[in-house]
Amino acid sequence: EPEVTQTPSHQVTQMGQEVILRCVPISNHLYFYWYRQILGQKVEFLVSFYNNEISEKSEIFDDQFSVERPDGSNFTLKIRSTKLEDSAMYFCASGGDRGAEQYFGPGTRLTVT
Amino acid sequence: KNEVEQSPQNLTAQEGEFITINCSYSVGISALHWLQQHPGGGIVSLFMLSSGKKKHGRLIATINIQEKHSSLHITASHPRDSAVYICAVGPSYSGGGADGLTFGKGTHLIIQP
Repeated sequence: EPEVTQTPSHQVTQMGQEVILRCVPISNHLYFYWYRQILGQKVEFLVSFYNNEISEKSEIFDDQFSVERPDGSNFTLKIRSTKLEDSAMYFCASGGDRGAEQYFGPGTRLTVT
Repeated sequence: KNEVEQSPQNLTAQEGEFITINCSYSVGISALHWLQQHPGGGIVSLFMLSSGKKKHGRLIATINIQEKHSSLHITASHPRDSAVYICAVGPSYSGGGADGLTFGKGTHLIIQP
């Protein structure tokens, strides 16, 4: 069964460093999403992506964040200068259509020290 | 902005009991999603529904669009059902809103043998 994959599973970085989180969505999906979950809190929407551009973004997704689909398979989230409060689990999801069921990856746990 | 409320926050039950988890939301939606999150953090989609009722194995999900309310039921509960169950809603497209999901805080379910 096709699945969304994410790498790395755990990333530790120092404050101020850049990190890139990688996702491989399900191959025939067209809609891509990033969410994050701070420990003990609810999952929050960051950004959605379709047709090689951002569809929507939340207030959390400020200028420190960017997304890219550099080739036909990968979907990346870049945090330019990490802050302590960026420590969270980051989930990638993909869907076959807008509003369709979303399939989540296993997440990347980002720890900023 | 949609507000998603779940109840109860925590639920401990004995194996075999019938479980009900409730979700309410404040603004019209395109669809409601029930998700399961295990201790390792991964998120699995259980149901997506926009009306009526869906059943998968021992799981049943219902939604009342007029009442802005959904329930997730587990029949003959088993210790392996222990997880966090999350309700999430997708925006109503007539409003042109973001297509990312808005999540509830989740219900932490423990089924004791």
